[in-house]
Parts: sequence; structure tokens; C-alpha cells
Amino acid sequence: EIVMTQSPATLSVSPGERATLSCRASQSVSSNLAWYQQKPGQAPRLLIDGATTRATGVPARFSGSGSGTEFTLTISSLQSEDFAIYYCQQYDNRGTFGQGTKVEIK
Amino acid sequence: QVTLRESGPAQVKPTQTLTLTCTLSGFSLSTSGMCVSWIRQPPGKALEWLARIAWDNEKDYITSLKTRLTISKDTSKNQVVLTMTNMDPVDTATYYCARTRSQQLVFTRYFYGMDVWGPGTTVTVSS
Repeated sequence: EIVMTQSPATLSVSPGERATLSCRASQSVSSNLAWYQQKPGQAPRLLIDGATTRATGVPARFSGSGSGTEFTLTISSLQSEDFAIYYCQQYDNRGTFGQGTKVEIK
Repeated sequence: QVTLRESGPAQVKPTQTLTLTCTLSGFSLSTSGMCVSWIRQPPGKALEWLARIAWDNEKDYITSLKTRLTISKDTSKNQVVLTMTNMDPVDTATYYCARTRSQQLVFTRYFYGMDVWGPGTTVTVSS
């Protein structure tokens, strides 16, 4: 099974600042990677598909980059509604999630 | 509008078999390229992908639970069913189903992220 490792586990950021989240795969997943946002008590929401493509309705402040084994989710200017847990998931071989990065208010 | 909704028992006893149903609306698993996945999340922990079934009945399972899981579909009812045998307290979690799409290019099938999720159903395993 492909192992996905996210860092950091927790990211403390002030509103308006930039947040950079990392995700690493134990072997190449090409661009078969998605990012999800999850808020307490809610189902996850797809943000980024194919490593770089924003899902429908996702604000432009969210961007994804990377391919192979190294991926990044960037939130250019954090808004209050962006404080949540973010998961990466590879779907190149079945599907595995990272352990998540919690973005909290600094 | 595309929606999915999970249903099943809120509690099961250890060693019992869990059966969960995902009811689809706004799309059909008989449509080429459509797939449905099951994912779970123990309280306070990360998401875990469990299984996926495609429109043509191709199935994939997480390796660590493959012997306990069965995914199936009933196209006439627009439902996907997941069964998990020999339930244990560590299987206590919120279980989600989600839509995935796929594309067939020559001999390779490519998948996409899970773009629509159900609200989830909470299952507690306790005697």
C-alpha cells in the first residue's frame, strides 16, 4: 500500500497569511492526488484534483502543485472559513489518505 | 443534484457483520465512468479509504481489510452496499460513501478524486 505522509501535523497561521501544506508519497503516484478540506462534524470536501486542478466552486486562493512523490497545497491568504483539517489522498493505486494537517488560528 | 446517503445500524456487537447501504441520487452507477467508494474515520482520527466499485463491477479493496470487506451494487435500486465481517471495537467510526469518476484509456483506467460525499453514518462496535 502506498503511504502518504503529511507535514506539518498542525500549522498555526494568522488570518490573511499564506499557508503551505506538504504531502509526500512513498512511491510515485504521478498526478493522481487530491486534497480535501474537513471541518468538524462535516464530510470532507474536494478542493484539488489531479494534483493541480481546483474543484468546482473552490476559491482561487487554494492552489495545488507537485507530481510524483512531492505535493503542496497552498492557501494564499487564509480566511476565517479556511481553518480546518486538510487531507491529501492518492488514487493511483487504490486510495490512501495522509494523516491530515490541522490549520489553526495563530 | 448529485447526492449520496449512507444508512445502516448505529451499533453492532463484536464479531457481527456490518452491512451499510449508500443510496445514490442524481447519477447512476450504470453510467460509464461512474464509481462509488467507501471511506471511514474513527473518532478524532484520519480518513481511511476502504473500497471502490465501478460501473462495470470492477472492485478494489484496501489490502489490510480485504478479507473482511465486500462491496456490491444494485443498479435497479441505485444503491451500493458494503459489508464488513467480524466487527471489532477498533472498527468504530463514521463511514462515508463518495462518488468517484474514472476514464478508460486503452488498457489503463484512470480515476479522479471523490467529488461528492454523503454526510456519513456513525457505527459503534460494542457489546
